[in-house]
Amino acid sequence: AQKVTQAQTEISVVEKEDVTLDCVYETRDTTYYLFWYKQPPSGELVFLIRRNSFDEQNEISGRYSWNFQKSTSSFNFTITASQVVDSAVYFCALSAYSGAGSYQLTFGKGTKLSVIP
Amino acid sequence: DAGVTQSPTHLIKTRGQQVTLRCSPKSGHDTVSWYQQALGQGPQFIFQYYEEEERQRGNFPDRFSGHQFPNYSSELNVNALLLGDSALYLCASSLGGSPYNEQFFGPGTRLTVL
Repeated sequence: AQKVTQAQTEISVVEKEDVTLDCVYETRDTTYYLFWYKQPPSGELVFLIRRNSFDEQNEISGRYSWNFQKSTSSFNFTITASQVVDSAVYFCALSAYSGAGSYQLTFGKGTKLSVIP
Repeated sequence: DAGVTQSPTHLIKTRGQQVTLRCSPKSGHDTVSWYQQALGQGPQFIFQYYEEEERQRGNFPDRFSGHQFPNYSSELNVNALLLGDSALYLCASSLGGSPYNEQFFGPGTRLTVL
C-alpha cells in the first residue's frame, strides 16, 4: 500500500521568509511518481511539479525548489522569499502501481501555509 | 482552451437521497478520475475511467458509481447518501492514464448532506 505523510499541518511565516514543506512517502514499488499540488482558497488543485523515482535531481523553478531523496523517502518543497500569494494548502502525492496495469494517485493530508504580510 | 469543468458548484441533499455530479475533461484528455476531499483532508481516490470503462477503484463502497461517455465526459453517482458523504468532489482529467502525466483538476462540487 502507498502512503504519503505531511507531518506539518499548518505553517505560518512572515513575508520574504523561506519555508520548507516536508513530504515522506511509502511504497514497495521501484517505479513511482511524486507530485506537488497547490490548493488555493478557491479549491482548485494546481499542479506544481512531478518527479519519477529514477530522477533524483533537485529542481528549481523561480522561487520554488524541490529536494528528492530516495534514501529517506522524502520529497520536500521549499519556497524562497515567500509572498502572500503563496498562502494555500499544499499537497504532496504519490502515484504507484495499484494492480491490473494501473496506477493510483495517493495524497497526503496537506500543509496549510499562511504567509503574513 | 477550456480546462476541467464540473457541475453543479454546490449541492445540498438529505440522507438517503441520490446525487449525480458531472465533469467535462480538459480538451484532448481521455481519462477522468474522481476524488473525494473531506474538510481538512487530502483528496481520496474514488475511481478512474478510461475508454468508457472503470479502470481502477479506490476504497469506496458500491454506492459510488460512475460513467464515462463517448465524448470523455463523466458522471459520479452516489446512492443512499450518508452524512459522511459531505465533501468536495474533485474531477481530474489526464491523457492516456499514464501515471506520469499530470492530472488537471476541476474546481470541484461541494456536496452537503443534511
